Amino acid sequence: AQSVAQPEDQVNVAEGNPLTVKCTYSVSGNPYLFWYVQYPNRGLQFLLKYITGDNLVKGSYGFEAEFNKSQTSFHLKKPSALVSDSALYFCAVRPNTGGFKTIFGAGTRLFVKA
Amino acid sequence: GAVVSQHPSRVICKSGTSVKIECRSLDFQATTMFWYRQFPKQSLMLMATSNEGSKATYEQGVEKDKFLINHASLTLSTLTVTSAHPEDSSFYICSARVLAAEQYFGPGTRLTVT
Repeated sequence: AQSVAQPEDQVNVAEGNPLTVKCTYSVSGNPYLFWYVQYPNRGLQFLLKYITGDNLVKGSYGFEAEFNKSQTSFHLKKPSALVSDSALYFCAVRPNTGGFKTIFGAGTRLFVKA
Repeated sequence: GAVVSQHPSRVICKSGTSVKIECRSLDFQATTMFWYRQFPKQSLMLMATSNEGSKATYEQGVEKDKFLINHASLTLSTLTVTSAHPEDSSFYICSARVLAAEQYFGPGTRLTVT
């Protein structure tokens, strides 16, 4: 079965430190990969996506993600965390099979301490 | 970027009544819209895919007679929760497909059934 795993329910990091939010997937072929952020009582905001090309993708608010095909991972990173980055982050995968069904991970809550 | 709005943002209704939630694409035409449900501290669950001018496609386990979806125009899709019960209380999020790999989300609607 196709799935997306975010192994950490929560990530804690101090402001100014680098952060990583992990994501691995089990989807055949060459899927599209996404990261979204959700603030309380809000919808999802698009951060970045990977379709093809460079393994390091740069997105909004200083976030970037590294695609690793051999490990089927798409970890979200930021060199220097801000308190305002505290939110819920979702990794999502869309199989490149002609349909448009997006599979979401369970989400990782990021806490950035001042 | 593309903007998707939802109305209302919050609604409280009594058990047994019906509630309609609107999802609009503000600056683009969306041939396909998606309706998700999100339980507290959980990921998004796709309920149905709505195509303009045709019947919605519901995911397994979602009651189509309970969650009525209408996609009457290229900018508007509605979700009606009929005969609502407390267990229908949830956060409902719509999204719209822009291009082959783009999906933009609305801000969500918090439904509380008393």
